[in-house]
Amino acid sequence: DGGITQSPKYLFRKEGQNVTLSCEQNLNHDAMYWYRQDPGQGLRLIYYSQIVNDFQKGDIAEGYSVSREKKESFPLTVTSAQKNPTAFYLCASSIDRLAGVNEQFFGPGTRLTVL
Amino acid sequence: AQSVAQPEDQVNVAEGNPLTVKCTYSVSGNPYLFWYVQYPNRGLQFLLKYITGDNLVKGSYGFEAEFNKSQTSFHLKKPSALVSDSALYFCAVRAAYGNNRLAFGKGNQVVVIP
Repeated sequence: DGGITQSPKYLFRKEGQNVTLSCEQNLNHDAMYWYRQDPGQGLRLIYYSQIVNDFQKGDIAEGYSVSREKKESFPLTVTSAQKNPTAFYLCASSIDRLAGVNEQFFGPGTRLTVL
Repeated sequence: AQSVAQPEDQVNVAEGNPLTVKCTYSVSGNPYLFWYVQYPNRGLQFLLKYITGDNLVKGSYGFEAEFNKSQTSFHLKKPSALVSDSALYFCAVRAAYGNNRLAFGKGNQVVVIP
């Protein structure tokens, strides 16, 4: 997990509330990603960003929003529009693809529970 | 669109026996393939990748994987399993010409029995 930090580790939210998950990396990676993990479903891509001030929707972006104002930071906001937000959220980063085929490095995750 | 199938939900193996975790993929063009491992309540750790060249790829912790283009497979193997190898294993694929988006399989739980 080295080089990528996620906070908090556990997060509880009441229905109707927005919450923001933090992701910071000190690896000088250009690309960053947010995944959602549910039991038996693998990882599904929410949003990704290949460069500062730019990001693209993944496969399940509805009810989520992101920003990429700094290279090292890629916060994810889970909005009240996300109907089933209880899940394990993983942030990842990788060197820009133009530098070769590079694996993604993952943070330790945030477990979000809606009460 | 790229996709990965990991057909077995759980793989049970006795300690010291060979371990195999199966993965088949679908992608347009040449694939780049990855294996990751996840321990409980942790992020994913990179094990190995196939880009090009030798079909047998060696990775971390004694793991290796064999790329088979005709069968579109990339099975993970370890000659002698350890109890500490018990974890969730993910296979992932992306197209060689495209962005960095990975498609992950649903994961295989490996249980190594002492």
